[in-house]
Amino acid sequence: DARVTQTPRHKVTEMGQEVTMRCQPILGHNTVFWYRQTMMQGLELLAYFRNRAPLDDSGMPKDRFSAEMPDATLATLKIQPSEPRDSAVYFCASGLLQGSGNTIYFGEGSWLTVV
Amino acid sequence: GNSVTQMEGPVTLSEEAFLTINCTYTATGYPSLFWYVQYPGEGLQLLLKATKADDKGSNKGFEATYRKETTSFHLEKGSVQVSDSAVYFCALSGGNFGNEKLTFGTGTRLTIIP
Repeated sequence: DARVTQTPRHKVTEMGQEVTMRCQPILGHNTVFWYRQTMMQGLELLAYFRNRAPLDDSGMPKDRFSAEMPDATLATLKIQPSEPRDSAVYFCASGLLQGSGNTIYFGEGSWLTVV
Repeated sequence: GNSVTQMEGPVTLSEEAFLTINCTYTATGYPSLFWYVQYPGEGLQLLLKATKADDKGSNKGFEATYRKETTSFHLEKGSVQVSDSAVYFCALSGGNFGNEKLTFGTGTRLTIIP
C-alpha cells in the first residue's frame, strides 16, 4: 500500500536548535508539498515542488526555513534556528498531477514542539 | 486568490442523525473540489472529490455536489456513526499547472455521540 512517509513522527527540541524533517513521497509522484497545521492558522502551504524544482515557497519564512528535494525519493524541510512559534504539525503530501482533479496524498505528519 | 469558507465547528450530533457541513469557495477558472478527513493523530485522507460543475463525489455514505451557481460543495451524510467523529476539511485546487496546490478551509470538528 503506497504511502507518504515522514520522519520524525514526533520531535521535541529546544529553541535555537536546528530541526530537519524528511519526507519520502509516493514513488512516481511528480509533485511534493509541505503544509503546516496549527490551531490558530489551520493548514498553510509552505512550499511545493514539481519534478524536484521549487514552484512556490511564498508561504515559508525564508529567514529560518528551507525546503529541498535532493532526489526524487526525498524531500526535506529544515528550520534553523527553531523558535517556539514553529511548534506545529508539518505535513508532507505528494501527487501525480497531470491536469485537474488529481488527488494529493498526505503523510501522517511530523509533530514538532519547540520549548 | 482562491479561498474556501467552511462551516464553523464544533458540530455534535447523535448517532444516526443527518449531517451537513457547509462549504463555499472563491476561485478563478474551474477549480476541483475536495473533502478531506483527519482522524485524531493522523494525516489527512481524501474523502471525496468533484472535478467539474454538477459532479457528485461520494464515499463511505458521504456525498457532496459541485454547485457552480452557488459556488458551494456541501458535505452530507444521511446517518452518521460514532466512527465518523473527525475533523473535516473542504479544499480546492486550481487544477492547471502551477496552481495545483490545495487551499483548505478551517476545518470542522465533528463529534458523534452514541
